[in-house]
Amino acid sequence: GAVVSQHPSWVICKSGTSVKIECRSLDFQATTMFWYRQFPKQSLMLMATSNEGSKATYEQGVEKDKFLINHASLTLSTLTVTSAHPEDSSFYICSAFPRTGAKTQYFGPGTRLLVL
Amino acid sequence: TQLLEQSPQFLSIQEGENLTVYCNSSSVFSSLQWYRQEPGEGPVLLVTVVTGGEVKKLKRLTFQFGDARKDSSLHITAAQPGDTGLYLCAGGRQAGTALIFGKGTTLSVSS
Repeated sequence: GAVVSQHPSWVICKSGTSVKIECRSLDFQATTMFWYRQFPKQSLMLMATSNEGSKATYEQGVEKDKFLINHASLTLSTLTVTSAHPEDSSFYICSAFPRTGAKTQYFGPGTRLLVL
Repeated sequence: TQLLEQSPQFLSIQEGENLTVYCNSSSVFSSLQWYRQEPGEGPVLLVTVVTGGEVKKLKRLTFQFGDARKDSSLHITAAQPGDTGLYLCAGGRQAGTALIFGKGTTLSVSS
């Protein structure tokens, strides 16, 4: 199946700092990627849709100035958590469709963020 | 509003038992996926169903998509400890759009 990678796999940072998470499609081009957030023992919640070459679309309740998304190429989307606070600690997962018209998304391995 | 109702939320059974997880919605989906997720890892796709009434089997796992494409079920026969994990159903409204996830079912199989 299609491969999606994320970097870093885990990160610990101090409150007030910014953290960048990368999502890469390794063997396909993705014009659209999705960012999800997952709290322990809960399901995935869609945060935003990342569109290559244009602005991301954020879900209701997600602060676009807090979670900056940049999709500068067809294989890379980045999520930057700005001025991180302990409540931002979570598991962040990205996904992408392997090709136009595909019905199945493939997910990255996730990034565990811990804000102290 | 939870568009995909998944049940049960937690399930603890003994090795060898059978179980069924349900995923229900009032909305029609063009496709429905089932994922399994281990702690600290991303979801891993188990199956995609796209046709109403479709049944797919993956070893001891049987997946069914409702005739109206509003619901789905996952049945595991003779569960094993290795089946332990979080099972997620996710529906797609149309190709290329984000998935809508159920709340997940945490399955624990003890030997």
